Amino acid sequence: QVQLVESGGGVVQPGGSLRLSCAASGFTFSTYGIHWVRQAPGKGLEWVAFIRYDGPNTYYADSVKGRFTISRDNSKNTLYLQMNSLRAEDTAVYYCAKDRDKYSSSSEGFDDWGQGTLVTVSS
Amino acid sequence: QSALTQPASVSESPGQSITISCTGTSSDVGSYNLVSWYQQHPGKAPKLMIYAGSERPSGVSNRFSGSKSGNTASLTISGLQAEDEADYYCCSYAGSSTWVFGGGTKLTVL
Repeated sequence: QVQLVESGGGVVQPGGSLRLSCAASGFTFSTYGIHWVRQAPGKGLEWVAFIRYDGPNTYYADSVKGRFTISRDNSKNTLYLQMNSLRAEDTAVYYCAKDRDKYSSSSEGFDDWGQGTLVTVSS
Repeated sequence: QSALTQPASVSESPGQSITISCTGTSSDVGSYNLVSWYQQHPGKAPKLMIYAGSERPSGVSNRFSGSKSGNTASLTISGLQAEDEADYYCCSYAGSSTWVFGGGTKLTVL
């Protein structure tokens, strides 16, 4: 069965950096696009970033563009999110989510999600 | 990349039906048949309930259905059950490999 396991969350000071990882198993990782979606405490879901199945094409929400970098290593079945210049408003649970359809750049939906990792930006 | 508009909360009695709306623009909901709906219980990850506007993933009850008219998508849940009480989010493809979520709707089954 599909498994997505996020790690790397923690407490970081404003202006700091953090790298999240998402380890994938149970499917052919190199054939699916993957997203990062975040949820601030008590708030709704926000799409953050997307990387195509083959990389290096990457796409970002305006709120993180220029500060966050999504990447993947298909040899390790792992997705990453490098987060720089962190702000208090980046505090959230970060989920990785798999595209429902193979080889797509315009997903019909995100059919598998990890359990999330909490990032807290605070001094 | 403005969030789609959903009602903050809805409520209905068990056995009844309810519809949750999701209003976007001609740049997202209105342009693509790529709206998806997610159910989220407290402390849990979201679960895909509807994709491509009206398709149900394997294992999702046929009590859940999706539709779209113009710039507004809708999720209808029939025969409400206590376990349906959760937060529901719509999401639409917005072009250029970007997506936008709705603000979420809290469903209370009275």
